[in-house]
Amino acid sequence: SQTIHQWPATLVQPVGSPLSLECTVEGTSNPNLYWYRQAAGRGLQLLFYSVGIGQISSEVPQNLSASRPQDRQFILSSKKLLLSDSGFYLCAWAPPDRVSYGYTFGSGTRLTVV
Amino acid sequence: GQNIDQPTEMTATEGAIVQINCTYQTSGFNGLFWYQQHAGEAPTFLSYNVLDGLEEKGRFSSFLSRSKGYSYLLLKELQMKDSASYLCASKDSNYQLIWGAGTKLIIKP
Repeated sequence: SQTIHQWPATLVQPVGSPLSLECTVEGTSNPNLYWYRQAAGRGLQLLFYSVGIGQISSEVPQNLSASRPQDRQFILSSKKLLLSDSGFYLCAWAPPDRVSYGYTFGSGTRLTVV
Repeated sequence: GQNIDQPTEMTATEGAIVQINCTYQTSGFNGLFWYQQHAGEAPTFLSYNVLDGLEEKGRFSSFLSRSKGYSYLLLKELQMKDSASYLCASKDSNYQLIWGAGTKLIIKP
């Protein structure tokens, strides 16, 4: 069966510090991968998605970036965090060729920038 | 543009029935999804509709009308653990999920 791992679960970082969040998927090949952010009490904001190694689509221009160095690895990064980067970050995957499948989410990372 | 509308918050009583509505406008349509999200946790899949009609799964049912761009999630015999946000999402022509902002459901004893 497929599983998705996301870490760390919580993170407190000072303003101006770098960020690296990692997400890995097991049990599937060539998944579509997604990074979302959710502010407190708000909906899901799509940040990046990837349909293959090295293929990244950015939905929201900001100081975050994403990379997909391996088929089942998706990384979210920042060189300098802002206070506004605080939120709940969720990684998700979906099979590329299964219309009836939704997204399966990792357990999330709660980031607080201080 | 693409848009998903659902109420921001609803309140219901334990043991009762509640219906959460969702209207959608997306570029193409490949199905309507409902997810449940408890506070501080990731969303989890509840239901998928691609044809018109009602899909029943235990205490939860989901309805779709493609001609009206409308869906609802029906929760019966409400339990306190059903207190959560419920997210409606439409899969567009690019097979990407377009998400509503979620409906926070508060269950009172």
